[in-house]
Amino acid sequence: DILMTQSPSSLSASVGDRVTITCRASQTVSMFLNWYQQKPGRAPKLVIYGASSLQSGVPSRFSGNGRGTNFTLTISSLQPEDFATYYCQQSYSTLKWTFGQGTKVDI
Amino acid sequence: QVQLQESGPGLVKPSETLSLTCTVSGASISGSDYHWGWIRQPPGKGLEWIGSVSDSGATDYNPSLKSRLTISEDTSKNQFSLNLSSLSAADTAVYYCASVTRVGAFDYWGQGILVTVSS
Repeated sequence: DILMTQSPSSLSASVGDRVTITCRASQTVSMFLNWYQQKPGRAPKLVIYGASSLQSGVPSRFSGNGRGTNFTLTISSLQPEDFATYYCQQSYSTLKWTFGQGTKVDI
Repeated sequence: QVQLQESGPGLVKPSETLSLTCTVSGASISGSDYHWGWIRQPPGKGLEWIGSVSDSGATDYNPSLKSRLTISEDTSKNQFSLNLSSLSAADTAVYYCASVTRVGAFDYWGQGILVTVSS
């Protein structure tokens, strides 16, 4: 299995802060890396696909970067609606797609 | 806009088989660019990919569930389904269905259905 490790597991931030979440893969996933936002009691929402492509309808303050094994999700200016848990997911392996353990962003 | 809706039992007994259905609207499950997938999330925990079915009916399963899992599609009803056998408490989770893009991203999700395995 390709193990996806996110850091930090949680962070506290304020409205307006720049926030960066890191996702590391145990082996290369090329650019087959996706990011999701999940709010309590809701289904996850796709934010970034293909490591750096912004999903339609997602605000431009979200950006993704990286390739190979190291990836980042950045929120340039945190808004109240951005407080949530974020997950990375690799879709490179033909055997098994895996998610990171999640990063909770709270106030 | 693609919409997905899970349906099935909320409570299943240990050792029994779970059957869930996902009804898709706004897209055809056959002959489209999408694959269709299942993901689950135990209460308070992270996400786990269960498996996927392509528009041609080909399936990919999580190896850790493969021996107990069947995913199929019913194109006449625009639905796809999950059967998971030999249930235990470890299978208690919210089960989501989702559309899967060509790069393997889950772009549209159902609202999820909580399945509890308990006698």
